[in-house]
Amino acid sequence: DAGVIQSPRHEVTEMGQEVTLRCKPISGHNSLFWYRQTMMRGLELLIYFNNNVPIDDSGMPEDRFSAKMPNASFSTLKIQPSEPRDSAVYFCASSLGVGEGVDQPQHFGDGTRLSIL
Amino acid sequence: GESVGLHLPTLSVQEGDNSIINCAYSNSASDYFIWYKQESGKGPQFIIDIRSNMDKRQGQRVTVLLNKTVKHLSLQIAATQPGDSAVYFCAELRYAGNMLTFGGGTRLMVKP
Repeated sequence: DAGVIQSPRHEVTEMGQEVTLRCKPISGHNSLFWYRQTMMRGLELLIYFNNNVPIDDSGMPEDRFSAKMPNASFSTLKIQPSEPRDSAVYFCASSLGVGEGVDQPQHFGDGTRLSIL
Repeated sequence: GESVGLHLPTLSVQEGDNSIINCAYSNSASDYFIWYKQESGKGPQFIIDIRSNMDKRQGQRVTVLLNKTVKHLSLQIAATQPGDSAVYFCAELRYAGNMLTFGGGTRLMVKP
């Protein structure tokens, strides 16, 4: 079974540059999540989509971050302009659904390790 | 969030022994709990889950126990193997809001 696929696996770029992270969720999953993992703060939810619609973006750090889900099989997380403090591992996860009584675990990709110099 | 990486609590066990990893969760209204395993360079991998109306659930070599009175979750791994070495996270979810909140993680090291 194909899991959640993220690209690129590693990204190194200079501050001020635009960074685009990509995610392909598991086929049939209706919910998609973007997380950031750092040494200091652990795993933090940035934004999640249900049926391609952004539901909660309260975790997005600031306006430099944006996320889109143009269709059920693709999502992007964009940082523009990037800053050194954005360096982290960014994970995408998907699940069959969310909501009352829905016990569906999130399945994670292997992440994008982002380094902003 | 809590610190991970260098500041992770570490559990060291001998191969073949049983491991117990504990987690104190924060929200008494949480409805659903999940244990994840994260190996170096990989994303968190689902291990086992439990609903808040259950006390215990068993999988293959793993058991999750839930004590809602003291808001405590534990993961028991039977006959721990070197491949079990990883960081383990508990996560709690409230249906209202759909926010999965992760604990800080515990590093499990298995000695051969």
